Amino acid sequence: KNQVEQSPQSLIILEGKNCTLQCNYTVSPFSNLRWYKQDTGRGPVSLTIMTFSENTKSNGRYTATLDADTKQSSLHITASQLSDSASYICVVSEGSQGNLIFGKGTKLSVKP
Amino acid sequence: DGGITQSPKYLFRKEGQNVTLSCEQNLNHDAMYWYRQDPGQGLRLIYYSQIVNDFQKGDIAEGYSVSREKKESFPLTVTSAQKNPTAFYLCASSRQAKNIQYFGAGTRLSVL
Repeated sequence: KNQVEQSPQSLIILEGKNCTLQCNYTVSPFSNLRWYKQDTGRGPVSLTIMTFSENTKSNGRYTATLDADTKQSSLHITASQLSDSASYICVVSEGSQGNLIFGKGTKLSVKP
Repeated sequence: DGGITQSPKYLFRKEGQNVTLSCEQNLNHDAMYWYRQDPGQGLRLIYYSQIVNDFQKGDIAEGYSVSREKKESFPLTVTSAQKNPTAFYLCASSRQAKNIQYFGAGTRLSVL
């Protein structure tokens, strides 16, 4: 069964610290993996999209990695800011029909 | 939220009532989607449309209906047959079916 598992479920860090969010998937065939940021009560906003051949992709303080062999991805946030408080959703696109499989998200809280 | 507008932001439904959620996009995208988001769960696909006058059921279409008479518009009707409609509803669009999706700000539906 195609699944996307994210960990941790929630995370609290102090402003200025770094953190890493994990995403494991069992989607096959694989097309691409996306990370979205969703502020409370808002729609998700795309951070990165990675295909099979890409190992690392950055977007400002956000860096996503992908290991297609182990079917794992991570999202690293550097020098966290209060505005980083949000849910981060990992989404994997299934290759044959392009169906999206969504993880449940990691809720990040950045405290001053 | 890009060029996707969802309205209203909050909606209340009475027992046995049908309600319609609006989704409009000015991105000239061919594909549009409706998702439902419940606390602690990943987004689930209700309906999607790859082109005007055509749409397909997603994973949880029962109790919902859609239309796609115009490229810019993809309204979702939550019918009285949907017994548990309380959720956050997200509309998204993409240039084509397998491209990255852009989300609206969402509509929160509650039952009176």
